[in-house]
Amino acid sequence: AQSVTQLGSHVSVSEGALVLLRCNYSSSVPPYLFWYVQYPNQGLQLLLKYTSAATLVKGINGFEAEFKKSETSFHLTKPSAHMRDAAEYFCAVSAFGNEKLTFGTGTRLTIIP
Amino acid sequence: NAGVTQTPKFQVLKTGQSMTLQCAQDMNHNSMYWYRQDPGMGLRLIYYSASEGTTDKGEVPNGYNVSRLNKREFSLRLESAAPSQTSVYFCASSQMDRDQETQYFGPGTRLLVL
Repeated sequence: AQSVTQLGSHVSVSEGALVLLRCNYSSSVPPYLFWYVQYPNQGLQLLLKYTSAATLVKGINGFEAEFKKSETSFHLTKPSAHMRDAAEYFCAVSAFGNEKLTFGTGTRLTIIP
Repeated sequence: NAGVTQTPKFQVLKTGQSMTLQCAQDMNHNSMYWYRQDPGMGLRLIYYSASEGTTDKGEVPNGYNVSRLNKREFSLRLESAAPSQTSVYFCASSQMDRDQETQYFGPGTRLLVL
């Protein structure tokens, strides 16, 4: 079985500051990992995904995530936050790259002007 | 391409009423899903369909039924709505991309059961 834990249901950062959203996973098999973003009153949009090709994954809007097997982590980062990054972010895991995703509980990111 | 579309966008029901949430995708994807999103709980899978003609239960299927009408459409039915089914419902479809499925989501349906 797979699961993900997102540490911090709410994160606030100042505009221009580093964004760090934490995700730890548990999986009995090599995982496939995803980050999705949800803007207010919208559906989820894929930010990036880890497919075992490279441990550092670059996504849209300047976000990236690093897969660390030793720490069972897949934290999402962005060097400089923008106001438009305010949203809820979800980490998700699937096994064998199949279709069933297990989501974390989400982290709401607030950007302080 | 419209991607994944859902109707209605918002619905209010009384306890015991029934309704069907509609979902359609125009990306020729084989797999489709229904999730519910509740505060502090992330997204939980209700049902999914790996291909036309097949459906399987997810994590929280009780109180719901689904129909994979054809490759494009996947509907979710509440036969007798309960206040516990107040939620935001998302439909998704997926395609294989470099040996892995990537899911694409619709805009959601907000359901309030009184």
